Amino acid sequence: DAGVIQSPRHEVTEMGQEVTLRCKPISGHDYLFWYRQTMMRGLELLIYFNNNVPIDDSGMPEDRFSAKMPNASFSTLKIQPSEPRDSAVYFCASSLEVGITEAFFGQGTRLTVV
Amino acid sequence: AQKVTQAQTEISVVEKEDVTLDCVYETRDTTYYLFWYKQPPSGELVFLIRRNSFDEQNEISGRYSWNFQKSTSSFNFTITASQVVDSAVYFCALSEKFRYSTLTFGKGTMLLVSP
Repeated sequence: DAGVIQSPRHEVTEMGQEVTLRCKPISGHDYLFWYRQTMMRGLELLIYFNNNVPIDDSGMPEDRFSAKMPNASFSTLKIQPSEPRDSAVYFCASSLEVGITEAFFGQGTRLTVV
Repeated sequence: AQKVTQAQTEISVVEKEDVTLDCVYETRDTTYYLFWYKQPPSGELVFLIRRNSFDEQNEISGRYSWNFQKSTSSFNFTITASQVVDSAVYFCALSEKFRYSTLTFGKGTMLLVSP
């Protein structure tokens, strides 16, 4: 398997614009996670899905953030409108189970909002 | 609530030195899992090891070894004969089985190995 695939790798956008990050999990993994990494807060879980259903979105910072998983092989994280404080590295990860097995991470999307 | 503490923010060593990265965790569950991940300068997060709470045997994989001690709630990671390629940020993480919890990460330890 190719692993978790994220796109784009880098995104630079202007404040107020909509940003969409994409993720393809490892085939057969039932769980998909979106994390955000910043220097100040480290790695934070934003939301996770089980079998395409959002289970816990308590980490989503504001209504400007939304995530979808229309099928088992694709998920998006959208920020609308984007703000400079959203600048971070966003990781997608997938796993077979939650609480038991390891999660495998994509290479991340480095988002810069200017 | 689960918590992971990596007290060492940054460690600098010279190649071939041994180095130990500390990880202390807190959990109320009796069944839990501990993990180490590596984040090299290229940015991706690479899974290294998973350990469950019932297996306190030390693990060795090449130059890497892990020491799990429930008595001190620690899961330390040692790199023997460090190399420049070991330079990275290393994260310890915890999940709890019965709460079906997701990974809680420590703040990470940046390891710099100089030639």
